[in-house]
Amino acid sequence: DQQVKQNSPSLSVQEGRISILNCDYTNSMFDYFLWYKKYPAEGPTFLISISSIKDKNEDGRFTVFLNKSAKHLSLHIVPSQPGDSAVYFCAAPGTSYDKVIFGPGTSLSVIP
Amino acid sequence: DSGVTQTPKHLITATGQRVTLRCSPRSGDLSVYWYQQSLDQGLQFLIQYYNGEERAKGNILERFSAQQFPDLHSELNLSSLELGDSALYFCASSPASKTNTGELFFGEGSRLTVL
Repeated sequence: DQQVKQNSPSLSVQEGRISILNCDYTNSMFDYFLWYKKYPAEGPTFLISISSIKDKNEDGRFTVFLNKSAKHLSLHIVPSQPGDSAVYFCAAPGTSYDKVIFGPGTSLSVIP
Repeated sequence: DSGVTQTPKHLITATGQRVTLRCSPRSGDLSVYWYQQSLDQGLQFLIQYYNGEERAKGNILERFSAQQFPDLHSELNLSSLELGDSALYFCASSPASKTNTGELFFGEGSRLTVL
């Protein structure tokens, strides 16, 4: 049972435009969400997070939006840069905080 | 550099064999997590250790086992290997200050190929 879903395996965006990556979750008890970024031949790295008490968190070009009623979050990257080309994973700590559950990832390609 | 060290980076072995993957967490981190990433798959949680004790188990096969030693390094043992065990195995650690946030620091992974 996949508790964190990313329904778009890939996304292609022109440099300078906005990239929007989507994530859905099934467990309403999740109260913290994260985005990780992964380049080939490297481990994932933490990018940005959001607590369920907020609906938006911004860090430079990256903004995460949370819609609790829809159990949906999205990552916006503005403006997109070629160096943003990577796989992005949506994640949430398990309800007992003993593991982190990852979505399947979305591969973003930013075209120069 | 995340500070998490994994060895070996690459490993090629045959079906039926046994391998050991090693992980050294960041200095001071007590928690170690193991994840498996198969081709075109997401990160599947295998197991977590905290200060030497097993804390959580995920989709870890019975042929797999792990432990965390007193110096906090961890080893993941994979035995009776099958072709389907070919994957990237990631180790991650987290500091006490990040407990409950899901912020993990990942190593570069160990790529296992079973022929």
